[in-house]
Amino acid sequence: DSGVTQTPKHLITATGQRVTLRCSPRSGDLSVYWYQQSLDQGLQFLIQYYNGEERAKGNILERFSAQQFPDLHSELNLSSLELGDSALYFCASSHGTGSYEQYFGPGTRLTVT
Amino acid sequence: QKEVEQDPGPLSVPEGAIVSLNCTYSNSAFQYFMWYRQYSRKGPELLMYTYSSGNKEDGRFTAQVDKSSKYISLFIRDSQPSDSATYLCAIDAGGTSYGKLTFGQGTILTVHP
Repeated sequence: DSGVTQTPKHLITATGQRVTLRCSPRSGDLSVYWYQQSLDQGLQFLIQYYNGEERAKGNILERFSAQQFPDLHSELNLSSLELGDSALYFCASSHGTGSYEQYFGPGTRLTVT
Repeated sequence: QKEVEQDPGPLSVPEGAIVSLNCTYSNSAFQYFMWYRQYSRKGPELLMYTYSSGNKEDGRFTAQVDKSSKYISLFIRDSQPSDSATYLCAIDAGGTSYGKLTFGQGTILTVHP
């Protein structure tokens, strides 16, 4: 158990809808990272927050947004969902402003029908 | 061309075999090299990391980096059925991109008794 929690575990929704994925980092970790894992694209970095501030951005679509709250939990919002957004979404955390040593949560499996 | 290329396998070996997993990368700015292991239905977990050319050993695992060839390897000695997982190489450019990991596609490894 990495200490990172993600909810929900599974999410099934329809195209055009909006969903929110939630992540709680390990105790004491200030950075939260979001990744998308799909069969064709592999594991891709989306965005990083450090202590409430956006720190780095990857290949995140404009339809996706994230934020980190004062209690350090983070939410990833996905809107106008398309079939291609079906994937595993992982949250990871680390202590400092950026680290290769990231602790991953169990993921949220999103299915868009 | 992807920044990190990894043979997805799958790779199937008998228990006790030596396993070699490999990745190539294109950007010479990459500074930190990691191997993550992902069991089925779990998030990735950091297995090994290194930031210089050469070998690093940890028990049955050896990570090797050749920066001149932009080639990284993971060797598993005396492989066990519990090593069956997907192995992901990951690279970090460091600097202002520290923590923004670029992953390979992952190699699925099965070690059969």
